[in-house]
Amino acid sequence: GIQVEQSPPDLILQEGANSTLRCNFSDSVNNLQWFHQNPWGQLINLFYIPSGTKQNGRLSATTVATERYSLLYISSSQTTDSGVYFCAVDPDNTDKLIFGTGTRLQVFP
Amino acid sequence: GAVVSQHPSRVICKSGTSVKIECRSLDFQATTMFWYRQFPKQSLMLMATSNEGSKATYEQGVEKDKFLINHASLTLSTLTVTSAHPEDSSFYICSAPQGIYGYTFGSGTRLTVV
Repeated sequence: GIQVEQSPPDLILQEGANSTLRCNFSDSVNNLQWFHQNPWGQLINLFYIPSGTKQNGRLSATTVATERYSLLYISSSQTTDSGVYFCAVDPDNTDKLIFGTGTRLQVFP
Repeated sequence: GAVVSQHPSRVICKSGTSVKIECRSLDFQATTMFWYRQFPKQSLMLMATSNEGSKATYEQGVEKDKFLINHASLTLSTLTVTSAHPEDSSFYICSAPQGIYGYTFGSGTRLTVV
């Protein structure tokens, strides 16, 4: 099956710093999403981004489908950005998501 | 926006007993619900897909007789962990697809089997 690897696995930042999270996938996909899981376990949609670039406030994402990777940019990080960031792909167009390995982000004041 | 209410948020049960987890779509009709489990510091693993009015489909390696899924209405999907054992302790999450708007997740159920 498809492999979805994220890097780095862990990231520690001071408030105000910028960061780039990467998601590599081993096969072509119909759908790619980014999610944030907060420290209480709730998952929140960030981006639906099968290709191209999108921005939402301090966050932006870029997917290069032909090269099988996606990037999530976080600018001017805040303590509330802490949690785990997952990318997830739908390889078969069935809405079933295969989640990546995750990046655990800690932002300190 | 679309909301999925998941209950209970935490449950502790004795080994050998069964536990039912409910996910209700509050403001939309969920014809499909996905069930995931997540072990500590790990990713989410898809367990099964429930479809309203039909049998659930299970991912490879998931015991369908142990994890009973029912999707009897367009607003309620349930997961019952039968004869629970300590190794079933995990965080269980339901999710409903929302097309290009992504997915709506329940808040999760932390199951501890003692």
